[in-house]
Amino acid sequence: EPEVTQTPSHQVTQMGQEVILRCVPISNHLYFYWYRQILGQKVEFLVSFYNNEISEKSEIFDDQFSVERPDGSNFTLKIRSTKLEDSAMYFCASTALRGLGNQPQHFGDGTRLSIL
Amino acid sequence: GESVGLHLPTLSVQEGDNSIINCAYSNSASDYFIWYKQESGKGPQFIIDIRSNMDKRQGQRVTVLLNKTVKHLSLQIAATQPGDSAVYFCAEKEGGGADGLTFGKGTHLIIQP
Repeated sequence: EPEVTQTPSHQVTQMGQEVILRCVPISNHLYFYWYRQILGQKVEFLVSFYNNEISEKSEIFDDQFSVERPDGSNFTLKIRSTKLEDSAMYFCASTALRGLGNQPQHFGDGTRLSIL
Repeated sequence: GESVGLHLPTLSVQEGDNSIINCAYSNSASDYFIWYKQESGKGPQFIIDIRSNMDKRQGQRVTVLLNKTVKHLSLQIAATQPGDSAVYFCAEKEGGGADGLTFGKGTHLIIQP
């Protein structure tokens, strides 16, 4: 069964440094998402991406965050200057359809980001 | 000291029994609902979904019930197995082209042998 893959599984970074989290969505999917989950809390939506542009973003997704689809298979989340409160699990998800043609979003196993 | 945010509602059932996990949602505009299962160290795994024009949907050993009047969603798991032990999240999505899922807080289901 096709799956979303994320790398690395664990990233440790000094506060203030830039970090890039990588995702390979399911190959025939067109809509991509990033979510985060702070330890012990619920999953929170960050951003959605379609046709090489952001479709929707939450209040969490401020100017420190950016997303990119640099090639036909990868989807990345960049945090420019990390803060301690950015420590969380970051999940990538993808789906084939959006809007009224709802299909479930399929998630990767996440990258654990630890900011020191 | 006590850690904030680590105390999920917990449901403990005997192996073989049925379980019901409940979820309340607040957005009347939500028209698509999903249940996810999350095992330790893994991402959310899709279980079953339901659209707002339905009130019940069945899968293999799972049933989702939707009551739009009281904004309530439930997940029934029949004949629970040890592998069903996980945290279960409901998620909702608003129609009109909005994309992000809004997740609930989660329920920790423990299957007792």
